[in-house]
Amino acid sequence: GEDVEQSLFLSVREGDSSVINCTYTDSSSTYLYWYKQEPGAGLQLLTYIFSNMDMKQDQRLTVLLNKKDKHLSLRIADTQTGDSAIYFCAEGSGYALNFGKGTSLLVTP
Amino acid sequence: NAGVTQTPKFRVLKTGQSMTLLCAQDMNHEYMYWYRQDPGMGLRLIHYSVGEGTTAKGEVPDGYNVSRLKKQNFLLGLESAAPSQTSVYFCATSPPMAGREYEQYFGPGTRLTVT
Repeated sequence: GEDVEQSLFLSVREGDSSVINCTYTDSSSTYLYWYKQEPGAGLQLLTYIFSNMDMKQDQRLTVLLNKKDKHLSLRIADTQTGDSAIYFCAEGSGYALNFGKGTSLLVTP
Repeated sequence: NAGVTQTPKFRVLKTGQSMTLLCAQDMNHEYMYWYRQDPGMGLRLIHYSVGEGTTAKGEVPDGYNVSRLKKQNFLLGLESAAPSQTSVYFCATSPPMAGREYEQYFGPGTRLTVT
């Protein structure tokens, strides 16, 4: 997804908050998504946000959307070692999702 | 429910050989997709289907063919494998709920190596 950009790596200490950022280009996207991929596994839908919302909170996850700047972020509170994974931002585009290249999150004890 | 399953999980092919990857779903979803995932490239859409009997090309369709003869199955074929097709292949499905057809559910992947 060259139209969806994410930083490639993020390292945080256990218990801290993680913030993963994403920028996208398709302003017509109805929904924006965050997926999680653990090693050797497929992608798992983590959360999504409707494009007319600014924020969505789901337990430890907070999604912020700045539609004007086409910027999406995922905040994970109290990050645990089990949160270590690759996180993909995605936007709806036609019939399919347009994915970023993924951000590898490493949580250290 | 098994969700989305993929067969096989691993395969090694020699250049020029052919094979078919099977994706099966028991979620009664209309839309199905095939992606490939390569290091540093994210996921790229190969082909997709919006219903039984229909298929369409995605971002990187060359060298692949697909068929959707039954709603629950989506097959990806490699007619003459090339080393550039070494990748991890993911199948995904999504429900036809208006505005949420992009909410995709992924299979566990098939790791293919072409020597």
